Amino acid sequence: SQQGEEDPQALSIQEGENATMNCSYKTSINNLQWYRQNSGRGLVHLILIRSNEREKHSGRLRVTLDTSKKSSSLLITASRAADTASYFCATERIAAGNKLTFGGGTRVLVKP
Amino acid sequence: DVKVTQSSRYLVKRTGEKVFLECVQDMDHENMFWYRQDPGLGLRLIYFSYDVKMKEKGDIPEGYSVSREKKERFSLILESASTNQTSMYLCASSTQAGQRDTQYFGPGTRLTVL
Repeated sequence: SQQGEEDPQALSIQEGENATMNCSYKTSINNLQWYRQNSGRGLVHLILIRSNEREKHSGRLRVTLDTSKKSSSLLITASRAADTASYFCATERIAAGNKLTFGGGTRVLVKP
Repeated sequence: DVKVTQSSRYLVKRTGEKVFLECVQDMDHENMFWYRQDPGLGLRLIYFSYDVKMKEKGDIPEGYSVSREKKERFSLILESASTNQTSMYLCASSTQAGQRDTQYFGPGTRLTVL
């Protein structure tokens, strides 16, 4: 099974609404990252949260990390049609160097 | 601006062919990675390299090999392509200094093996 698993697998919302997706992982980590992938393209880094951080903001993105529950959430506020994409969490495990382990992703559809 | 390029966006090959996927980064990054992406499975690491001529197996190296003769170029080789290697292949790079944890991805190569 995967180190990072996203929930839900798919999400459909109206423009202006908030979108929340969750990520769970199994082993201790150095950091957790969220990436976005537009259809058929490469991944783009969104935000990184370190294991000693609990919350981080970047524009309309808010990420939380709960190391006791081995889980993270990504909140996109005031969503736009351009936010339609797949979102992946990736964990850097302790002593894994720069290697990341990705989850299966959450597909988000923002309807105009 | 950071840039990772991959030699082809789409590729169609026949079973048994030798396939080369090329990745080039212009950021002087030390680390380079090859992933494959399949629906519902996310990205899985095939091979990675921390330096020129260095390579390490990832989680699913079987059926693949790699080459890193120059710092900017990391090649993925399918010695004898099989239909179960039909997938999206993504290359990424990262630095060992500064923003060392962020990986920068290429646009991907969608490979179909017939």
